[in-house]
Amino acid sequence: NAGVTQTPKFQVLKTGQSMTLQCAQDMNHEYMSWYRQDPGMGLRLIHYSVGAGITDQGEVPNGYNVSRSTTEDFPLRLLSAAPSQTSVYFCASSTNGRGQPQHFGDGTRLSIL
Amino acid sequence: AQSVTQPDIHITVSEGASLELRCNYSYGATPYLFWYVQSPGQGLQLLLKYFSGDTLVQGIKGFEAEFKRSQSSFNLRKPSVHWSDAAEYFCAVGEGGAGSYQLTFGKGTKLSVIP
Repeated sequence: NAGVTQTPKFQVLKTGQSMTLQCAQDMNHEYMSWYRQDPGMGLRLIHYSVGAGITDQGEVPNGYNVSRSTTEDFPLRLLSAAPSQTSVYFCASSTNGRGQPQHFGDGTRLSIL
Repeated sequence: AQSVTQPDIHITVSEGASLELRCNYSYGATPYLFWYVQSPGQGLQLLLKYFSGDTLVQGIKGFEAEFKRSQSSFNLRKPSVHWSDAAEYFCAVGEGGAGSYQLTFGKGTKLSVIP
């Protein structure tokens, strides 16, 4: 049972490069989300989606793009990486509805030089 | 807007001692509350959740939490801590309906356990 799978686990980028972080889930969950985790800041919501073709912004969306063409996949795109985007990124999924617990991937550790 | 406060950044306890991690929330309606645990290099794992009903909620790994509306608190407890409980713990509150559901997390409490 794979759950939520994130790739890659680690990545180093140079400022200005673009990259896509991949997230896939095999639980047929409607809701998917991306968080970033920074020391002392907890997890902050970047973007989320309540189903294929529907996305919305979270607390810290600037510099990130998402799309949801299938139920299973929810990629996060950095169009022009900046050092401030150095962080650990987590993808999560759940069934729709208030109060549904989210299932997290193991994270992608991203460093931007 | 909803918010979550975890007042303790870092707590150290001896193995076998009791544990209480504090969480205070700000939310207008009846909240949906969660505790998650994160081991180093791992994602977050759900410990327990509160939606309604009994204010004392049992979770996995011997943890429990008590919802106190009058104090806007949802503190996590464990009667006897094991060395394997060393991790970071996050409290979260859920907001919104089916079309706009979001979780807001606290900044976390790191737990160290002394053998």
